[in-house]
Amino acid sequence: DAGVIQSPRHEVTEMGQEVTLRCKPISGHDYLFWYRQTMMRGLELLIYFNNNVPIDDSGMPEDRFSAKMPNASFSTLKIQPSEPRDSAVYFCASSLGLGGYTFGSGTRLTVV
Amino acid sequence: QQQVKQSPQSLIVQKGGIPIINCAYENTAFDYFPWYQQFPGKGPALLIAIRPDVSEKKEGRFTISFNKSAKQFSLHIMDSQPGDSATYFCAARGGNTPLVFGKGTRLSVIA
Repeated sequence: DAGVIQSPRHEVTEMGQEVTLRCKPISGHDYLFWYRQTMMRGLELLIYFNNNVPIDDSGMPEDRFSAKMPNASFSTLKIQPSEPRDSAVYFCASSLGLGGYTFGSGTRLTVV
Repeated sequence: QQQVKQSPQSLIVQKGGIPIINCAYENTAFDYFPWYQQFPGKGPALLIAIRPDVSEKKEGRFTISFNKSAKQFSLHIMDSQPGDSATYFCAARGGNTPLVFGKGTRLSVIA
């Protein structure tokens, strides 16, 4: 198994632009999580899905953030419009049940 | 509100030393306590996990000690090596809730 695959690995964008981060979870996993990592706040849970259904999006910082999971093998996290304070590393993780998570390698987002 | 408090933020030890990283929690409903290891440029990876029905778990050089009454758990790395240099995260969850993570400890093992 190739693990959790995230793309792109790095994204540099200008303030105000739309950013879309992508994630392919491990086949057969029924949970998918989006985390944001910063030095100040550590790993923050943004949203998670169970069987493609969003369960809790209370961690999404603002309405500028949205996430979708149209099928079991794909999820997106979109930021529109992006702001410099959104700069962070965004991780996707998947799991079978709520046991151990497998994280992707992350997307480093820089908004200038 | 930080549900899992982790300390120290950073730690430097000599090769062969035993770094200890501590975590404390408040939520008595937590029943699963994993530790994750993260190398630069990579996502966190599950290292070892414990449930509250045991007080200690060992996997190779890594040991979790768990104190249910104090609501604390810690990670010990025996005979630490430079290759153990990474950021370590404790986490916890209970019931059908997702993991909550500590803020991480950056460990440096110097030769």
